[in-house]
Amino acid sequence: SQQGEEDPQALSIQEGENATMNCSYKTSINNLQWYRQNSGRGLVHLILIRSNEREKHSGRLRVTLDTSKKSSSLLITASRAADTASYFCATDGVLHNNDMRFGAGTRLTVKP
Amino acid sequence: DADVTQTPRNRITKTGKRIMLECSQTKGHDRMYWYRQDPGLGLRLIYYSFDVKDINKGEISDGYSVSRQAQAKFSLSLESAIPNQTALYFCATSVGTGPSEKLFFGSGTQLSVL
Repeated sequence: SQQGEEDPQALSIQEGENATMNCSYKTSINNLQWYRQNSGRGLVHLILIRSNEREKHSGRLRVTLDTSKKSSSLLITASRAADTASYFCATDGVLHNNDMRFGAGTRLTVKP
Repeated sequence: DADVTQTPRNRITKTGKRIMLECSQTKGHDRMYWYRQDPGLGLRLIYYSFDVKDINKGEISDGYSVSRQAQAKFSLSLESAIPNQTALYFCATSVGTGPSEKLFFGSGTQLSVL
């Protein structure tokens, strides 16, 4: 079964706006990761946040983690048309023997 | 050259045929994984291997088998393909130094079973 669930399923914004995607999960985790997938291609790792961290930044990306609510958010600031892609959260957990489980993803469209 | 290479890139086969998807990596990672992706379902783990002598079932291993021929090679076999195995298949690797480090993905194999 999937561990993470992203929300919304699809998001459409204008270039320059911020995009926020959310991920909820069910069991305790060691870390949570966000990946990006351009259409039909392999996933690319964006950022990893550990269970003892609350916020992490990488360029225009900001990830937060709330373990009490079992949720995470990915914020992309000042979006560009090139950010158009699907974004997935992935979580591990003691119950999953350290293998990563992915959500169904958020499809982000950034209009120029 | 890609660090994680999957072959073939696309494959069309018929129900009942045996098919093998291959993955090789030049990253020197111990851990390798096979995932499948279906529209609307995200990625689901089929099998994973933490070293050459270690093979583990994922959440959807039925109908699949794997072979870890070397540290760099991890192949996925469908013994008797069926239409609902039509999907995009990904191989991935990770460093085996701790729990759940980041994954590096291949470009995928689109498999269609008719």
